[in-house]
Amino acid sequence: AQKITQTQPGMFVQEKEAVTLDCTYDTSDPSYGLFWYKQPSSGEMIFLIYQGSYDQQNATEGRYSLNFQKARKSANLVISASQLGDSAMYFCAMRDTGRRALTFGSGTRLQVQP
Amino acid sequence: DTAVSQTPKYLVTQMGNDKSIKCEQNLGHDTMYWYKQDSKKFLKIMFSYNNKELIINETVPNRFSPKSPDKAHLNLHINSLELGDSAVYFCASSQRFSSYNEQFFGPGTRLTVL
Repeated sequence: AQKITQTQPGMFVQEKEAVTLDCTYDTSDPSYGLFWYKQPSSGEMIFLIYQGSYDQQNATEGRYSLNFQKARKSANLVISASQLGDSAMYFCAMRDTGRRALTFGSGTRLQVQP
Repeated sequence: DTAVSQTPKYLVTQMGNDKSIKCEQNLGHDTMYWYKQDSKKFLKIMFSYNNKELIINETVPNRFSPKSPDKAHLNLHINSLELGDSAVYFCASSQRFSSYNEQFFGPGTRLTVL
């Protein structure tokens, strides 16, 4: 069975600083995808970044990067130069080849302070 | 242009009633999903349809019945609503046989059962 673990229920970061949100996963499937989603207080789910299990390089999307350490089964999200608008819940999720549905972690609430 | 839309956005109803939530996607995707987000923000897959065929049916009470009239629509009907059904329900879609397989989420439907 798949499992996603986010051990940080809440995080604080100062504006303009970088922050790392932790995510570890467990799966027996050699082919999988890892996703990060942002959920602001308005409630919508916003896709941020994707990492495939066979990707050789860490994914980057603007200020978001994914620190993928396959041997450690971790897929941490790094947000550089935090902005007030980054305050939200962040979810790590995994999709395996077979099911295609996402298994989510419990989320991390990030608060960016001015 | 709205990619994944859901109606209604808010639904308040009494215990025992029957209600439906509609979902439509205009992305040309062949797979659609229903997720439930509980009061603790935990997201879990309920159902998945691929080209109108049910491919995932998690342990969900049979009071919940998904219906897919075509691959662009996936509706969720709930019979005999209970207090514990109160949650936010998200519809999502993706292209099944895609290595990327990003899932696009609808805005969510907040269901409150009184």
